[in-house]
Amino acid sequence: GDSVTQMEGPVTLSEEAFLTINCTYTATGYPSLFWYVQYPGEGLQLLLKATKADDKGSNKGFEATYRKETTSFHLEKGSVQVSDSAVYFCALTGGNNRLAFGKGNQVVVIP
Amino acid sequence: KAGVTQTPRYLIKTRGQQVTLSCSPISGHRSVSWYQQTPGQGLQFLFEYFSETQRNKGNFPGRFSGRQFSNSRSEMNVSTLELGDSALYLCASSSEGVDTQYFGPGTRLTVL
Repeated sequence: GDSVTQMEGPVTLSEEAFLTINCTYTATGYPSLFWYVQYPGEGLQLLLKATKADDKGSNKGFEATYRKETTSFHLEKGSVQVSDSAVYFCALTGGNNRLAFGKGNQVVVIP
Repeated sequence: KAGVTQTPRYLIKTRGQQVTLSCSPISGHRSVSWYQQTPGQGLQFLFEYFSETQRNKGNFPGRFSGRQFSNSRSEMNVSTLELGDSALYLCASSSEGVDTQYFGPGTRLTVL
């Protein structure tokens, strides 16, 4: 079935550093890809999405490009802030309205 | 537009009891999906309802059930609660033909 793999472990970095979180996927067909963010005690917020190969999703300084050849959708931000500290989830759906999520990455930004 | 709302936000139950969680989707959204989030298993799909019909179901025991009303509001029921049912239950809604799901704040269920 469809699945998403995110890099293991939390990510700790200093304010203004460059952030990358890796995400690879396995799916049949042409899934839509998403990044969601979860702040403590809250639900999931949609951060960005891409629906076809080579699409770039972007929002609030975050970007991710749908790479079909490498089945990847890595999240990047050029200069993180303390307020970006949260858990980030990569997800996909194959058109059946059923999201498959990665395990998530805790991002901690130190002032 | 108001976002997805879920009630209650917190629940404490004991083993063997049953519980009902409620979700109101974004106005105009007819699809409602439910997910369970636990530290060990992560985010797992429970089921999806569209126009009062269950359209998709995840791999959960029959103790987990749901329904959707004509106004698209949905409820989820868990019977004979087990300790392992302690989790954050998230509801998400989407509009017809659009695969983007918008999530509510969740209901935190603790089973003692």
